[in-house]
Amino acid sequence: QVQLAESGGGLVKPGGSLRLSCTASGFTFSGYYMSWIRQAPGKGLEWVSYIGRNSNYINYADSVKGRFTISRDNAKNSLYLQMNSLRAEDTAVYYCARDFDSDLLTGYFDYWGQGTLVTVSS
Amino acid sequence: EIVLTQSPATLSLSPGERATFSCRASQSISNYLAWYQQKPGQAPRLLIHDASNRATGIPARFSGSGSGTDFTLTISSLEPEDFAVYYCQQRSNWPQTFGQGTKLEIK
Repeated sequence: QVQLAESGGGLVKPGGSLRLSCTASGFTFSGYYMSWIRQAPGKGLEWVSYIGRNSNYINYADSVKGRFTISRDNAKNSLYLQMNSLRAEDTAVYYCARDFDSDLLTGYFDYWGQGTLVTVSS
Repeated sequence: EIVLTQSPATLSLSPGERATFSCRASQSISNYLAWYQQKPGQAPRLLIHDASNRATGIPARFSGSGSGTDFTLTISSLEPEDFAVYYCQQRSNWPQTFGQGTKLEIK
């Protein structure tokens, strides 16, 4: 079955960096667009970034552009999010999510990991 | 950026009752709308895509309708496991955005 497992979250000081990982299994990882979506404590959902199947298409929310970098390694079935210059408002659970359709970027998400908590605080 | 406004913020109903959730977009999004369910401590679950298409494995009691700016998610007869938070999401314009959620609680 499809599984996504995030790791790498933790407590970091403002201005610091963190790298999140997401390991996929149960499907052909290289066949799907992947995204990072976050949820601040007690709040709603915010799309952060997506990456195309061959890393050819990448996009970011304005709130993280220039600070976060998404990448993937299809040989390792892994998705990454490098987060630099972290701010208190980046505190959230970060989910990796699979796009709904293989081959296409639909913008819907049919499988999500359980999330990893990033806390930015001094 | 397209803003999605969900109403009500909280819905208090009993098992067996019908639940109706509303999602209004700040501009037309055609039918490019999805609905998700999220239970405490869990990731969201895709219920409906393209306004009215049930995702794989979603029970028939869940249905979606609407187009343009006004959308509805209906649960025909509530089961105990349906009590959760429901979010709408549009993918018509980038960035894709989510509504603020409606909490369905047991009355």
